[in-house]
Amino acid sequence: DAGVTQSPTHLIKTRGQHVTLRCSPISGHKSVSWYQQVLGQGPQFIFQYYEKEERGRGNFPDRFSARQFPNYSSELNVNALLLGDSALYLCASSSRSGTARTNEKLFFGSGTQLSVL
Amino acid sequence: DQQVKQNSPSLSVQEGRISILNCDYTNSMFDYFLWYKKYPAEGPTFLISISSIKDKNEDGRFTVFLNKSAKHLSLHIVPSQPGDSAVYFCAARPTNNDMRFGAGTRLTVKP
Repeated sequence: DAGVTQSPTHLIKTRGQHVTLRCSPISGHKSVSWYQQVLGQGPQFIFQYYEKEERGRGNFPDRFSARQFPNYSSELNVNALLLGDSALYLCASSSRSGTARTNEKLFFGSGTQLSVL
Repeated sequence: DQQVKQNSPSLSVQEGRISILNCDYTNSMFDYFLWYKKYPAEGPTFLISISSIKDKNEDGRFTVFLNKSAKHLSLHIVPSQPGDSAVYFCAARPTNNDMRFGAGTRLTVKP
């Protein structure tokens, strides 16, 4: 079975540009989360989507947006890129089946390494 | 706002010995804790978890201990193997929708 897939694997952009990162969850998973991992730090939560609706948002500026499609894949968009946006962007899916609190674990993709020059 | 802290950026142990990785948290609302392992060029992979209603969970060579009064958890790997060399992240769940990760501890197991 395919795991969480992300594209592209690497990306180089310049300041002020816009970027779109893509994620396909594990088949059957309806919940997708996005995390940013800066070198030397742990992943930081950006967004969580379940059934195409935003269910959670981390402490990131409005330049960051996301959406989830009917097939449960997801896109993360970042506008007006800054040098500080350079990071590994991780997508994770889970088998969460509703809005109730459950002890599900996240399955991560390999990430998209974004470099902003 | 670093609610999950891993104060040791690196740890080196000999093959066959015990590895102990530590994690502290500040938010008493956390009720579910996980450990993830990350190899270079790969995403984090789930290792083991523990609910706040327990104080120990074991899975093969891996055991996680939770001390709620001290807001501390630890991961024990016995015996350590060279293939265990990776970055280990502690994570905790404050809400239903996100997880908070520590900065990670790089474990090196020497043959």
